[in-house]
Amino acid sequence: QKEVEQDPGPLSVPEGAIVSLNCTYSNSAFQYFMWYRQYSRKGPELLMYTYSSGNKEDGRFTAQVDKSSKYISLFIRDSQPSDSATYLCAMGVNTDKLIFGTGTRLQVFP
Amino acid sequence: NAGVMQNPRHLVRRRGQEARLRCSPMKGHSHVYWYRQLPEEGLKFMVYLQKENIIDESGMPKERFSAEFPKEGPSILRIQQVVRGDSAAYFCASSPTPGLAGDEQYFGPGTRLTVT
Repeated sequence: QKEVEQDPGPLSVPEGAIVSLNCTYSNSAFQYFMWYRQYSRKGPELLMYTYSSGNKEDGRFTAQVDKSSKYISLFIRDSQPSDSATYLCAMGVNTDKLIFGTGTRLQVFP
Repeated sequence: NAGVMQNPRHLVRRRGQEARLRCSPMKGHSHVYWYRQLPEEGLKFMVYLQKENIIDESGMPKERFSAEFPKEGPSILRIQQVVRGDSAAYFCASSPTPGLAGDEQYFGPGTRLTVT
């Protein structure tokens, strides 16, 4: 069993939809949780960074962490075609050695 | 403020040659991380370095791979005697100080290594 599981998609939604991206994990010691966005043939770009359970909002993005269920989510409101990318969850016991999911490919069509 | 820089962006090597990948961290960052991304897979941690120190190399293959971050100059990931299975995208990330506020890792654009 992988330490971090992420549905690879692809996920295809119309512009304006609410997108929900999820990861599950098995290591209860993970404390730091990140979401990165990666455009094709580019480096990952940090979107959200949370520590501990709860919600964190930044513009159209909301990150949610449920440590009891070992489940994290990223919600994107009012999705745009420019949001089309691969979304990677990452987590760690500390912030140095991150464990990444395989990424979910999202396509937002006009 | 320039981001993390990596060069070359693309590197082609024949089997048996050496590959050298360079990474310059963001200004003010003294911690460097290397990750490898194979097609259709997530990023895999390889090594974490501070200036002149290897902190965690638990993700590095035991042979042919080495990394350094000298006092002056960029961090170098070296792969000796490359094989086809080394073909991948190699990403470098940097952070200011892990464990404190603002310790997120910021990634460079990557070096795409192709072994022929």
